[in-house]
Amino acid sequence: NAGVTQTPKFRVLKTGQSMTLLCAQDMNHEYMYWYRQDPGMGLRLIHYSVGEGTTAKGEVPDGYNVSRLKKQNFLLGLESAAPSQTSVYFCASSLYSDVFGEQFFGPGTRLTVL
Amino acid sequence: DQQVKQNSPSLSVQEGRISILNCDYTNSMFDYFLWYKKYPAEGPTFLISISSIKDKNEDGRFTVFLNKSAKHLSLHIVPSQPGDSAVYFCAASPPSGNTGKLIFGQGTTLQVKP
Repeated sequence: NAGVTQTPKFRVLKTGQSMTLLCAQDMNHEYMYWYRQDPGMGLRLIHYSVGEGTTAKGEVPDGYNVSRLKKQNFLLGLESAAPSQTSVYFCASSLYSDVFGEQFFGPGTRLTVL
Repeated sequence: DQQVKQNSPSLSVQEGRISILNCDYTNSMFDYFLWYKKYPAEGPTFLISISSIKDKNEDGRFTVFLNKSAKHLSLHIVPSQPGDSAVYFCAASPPSGNTGKLIFGQGTTLQVKP
């Protein structure tokens, strides 16, 4: 049981390049989330999904797109990377959405945009 | 507009003493609060939670107190151990329907000195 895994762990992009971050969970969780962590800002929600085939915007969605084609995978895409997107990205999943909905996090992807 | 605030970026305590981490929130409709712990190069992990109908929840060395009138919660760690050195995030569950979304504070870095 690997829990939540993220690929890649590190990436350096040039401004304008595109990339996709992959999140996978093997816990059969319905809910998945993408966060970014920046110094002094905590964790901010980018996009989330309440089930296969669904996605919704979080607090800071601009410049990102997501897809949830399979229940176990949640992809985060950057179409045209900008230096402001330099951050550590965390994926999380949860089984429930209510008070029992503890979120399980992946190890993170450190992205640098030059 | 930070709805969940951790105003102390860092805290240093001696091993064996009490660590008190604080968190303030602005929305009285938040109904559930959680604390997550994060080590370097790892994703956050769930530590302890409290429902808004309670004012205290205890789990071993960790106790969370909720003061709804002051919109304030705190995490007490007694006794503190060097392995507790990490970043601690408080999070609140907003009344946003069945999404499982959480709003995180900025984090407090705890250092426990041997």
